[in-house]
Amino acid sequence: KAGVTQTPRYLIKTRGQQVTLSCSPISGHRSVSWYQQTPGQGLQFLFEYFSETQRNKGNFPGRFSGRQFSNSRSEMNVSTLELGDSALYLCASSFQIGRNTEAFFGQGTRLTVV
Amino acid sequence: DAKTTQPPSMDCAEGRAANLPCNHSTISGNEYVYWYRQIHSQGPQYIIHGLKNNETNEMASLIITEDRKSSTLILPHATLRDTAVYYCIVRVVGTDKLIFGTGTRLQVFP
Repeated sequence: KAGVTQTPRYLIKTRGQQVTLSCSPISGHRSVSWYQQTPGQGLQFLFEYFSETQRNKGNFPGRFSGRQFSNSRSEMNVSTLELGDSALYLCASSFQIGRNTEAFFGQGTRLTVV
Repeated sequence: DAKTTQPPSMDCAEGRAANLPCNHSTISGNEYVYWYRQIHSQGPQYIIHGLKNNETNEMASLIITEDRKSSTLILPHATLRDTAVYYCIVRVVGTDKLIFGTGTRLQVFP
């Protein structure tokens, strides 16, 4: 069974640009959540999706957005990139939201903003 | 949201048991405790989770105190590959939201 797949693995963008990151969950998993990891703030929850609906959102500005498709694949978008957005972006999938089952993480997308 | 407190770092000799403590004194009655680890900025790896009973799987054991205010993750025979940052997390009820603390950096030495 394939794990959580995130693409691309690495990205370099310029300040002011926008970026879209993709996450394909484990087959059969319907819940996807996103996290940002930086050296200063650690791992922080961004948002989570289930059945194409955002169910929960972390404390991030509106420049951070996401969506989930009918096949459970998810994308997150960051507009008007800032240097501080440089981070490892991780997504996790689980079978169903809030059921206290395991959530499995992908390897992440490392975004560098220059 | 419940918070967790872990020691910033620990050492363990290879082949010995590694016991990683975690305090979660504000945990609610229906919140689960999860453990993940992260190696070299890879994605966090799920280890184990539990509510109030002790749990064991092929990777580790989880011991939760009766009052549920603390827990211990036990790696029975640590290897060099267990060197990682270990996160103790209380999962928010009804969501998949994981609130990560700063974790414990476990160093396994030969």
